[in-house]
Amino acid sequence: DQQVKQNSPSLSVQEGRISILNCDYTNSMFDYFLWYKKYPAEGPTFLISISSIKDKNEDGRFTVFLNKSAKHLSLHIVPSQPGDSAVYFCAASATGTASKLTFGTGTRLQVTL
Amino acid sequence: DAGVIQSPRHEVTEMGQEVTLRCKPISGHNSLFWYRQTMMRGLELLIYFNNNVPIDDSGMPEDRFSAKMPNASFSTLKIQPSEPRDSAVYFCASSGPTGAYSPLHFGNGTRLTVT
Repeated sequence: DQQVKQNSPSLSVQEGRISILNCDYTNSMFDYFLWYKKYPAEGPTFLISISSIKDKNEDGRFTVFLNKSAKHLSLHIVPSQPGDSAVYFCAASATGTASKLTFGTGTRLQVTL
Repeated sequence: DAGVIQSPRHEVTEMGQEVTLRCKPISGHNSLFWYRQTMMRGLELLIYFNNNVPIDDSGMPEDRFSAKMPNASFSTLKIQPSEPRDSAVYFCASSGPTGAYSPLHFGNGTRLTVT
């Protein structure tokens, strides 16, 4: 049972435009959410996170939005750059098991020139 | 900081053989995780340790899989006997005692192919 779902396996966006990556979760106990970025032949690297007490967190070109009622979060990248081309994983954890992350299947983002 | 170090980077073995994957976490980190990445299931948590003690191994697929952490700077994931369906990329990650939500730091993975 996939508790964290990324329903879009891939996304292509033009350089300079906004990239929006989506993630849904089913476990209402999740209260902390993270996005990781992965380049080929490398491990995932932490990008940005958000606690359930917030609905938005921003870090430079990256913004994560959380809609708790819909159990949905999204990652916005503005403006998109070719170096953003990677696989993006959404992850979630619950209080008491904060270190135990449940990941989605990933979305491959390609930023074209 | 050298980051999380995994070895080997690639492993090709025949069905039935024993496979051992190795991991050296970041110095000072007290939690260590083994994940497996497949196309169908993404990143699955297999097992994690806190202060060298296994906390949750519910993700270990079956008895053929075992993991150890004999000290704070080394962990192994062993598959015996290996099967073709074990082919995947295996990641080790560690996190530090900086709070409940310390991000995971991943190694570059071991790509396992079982023929």
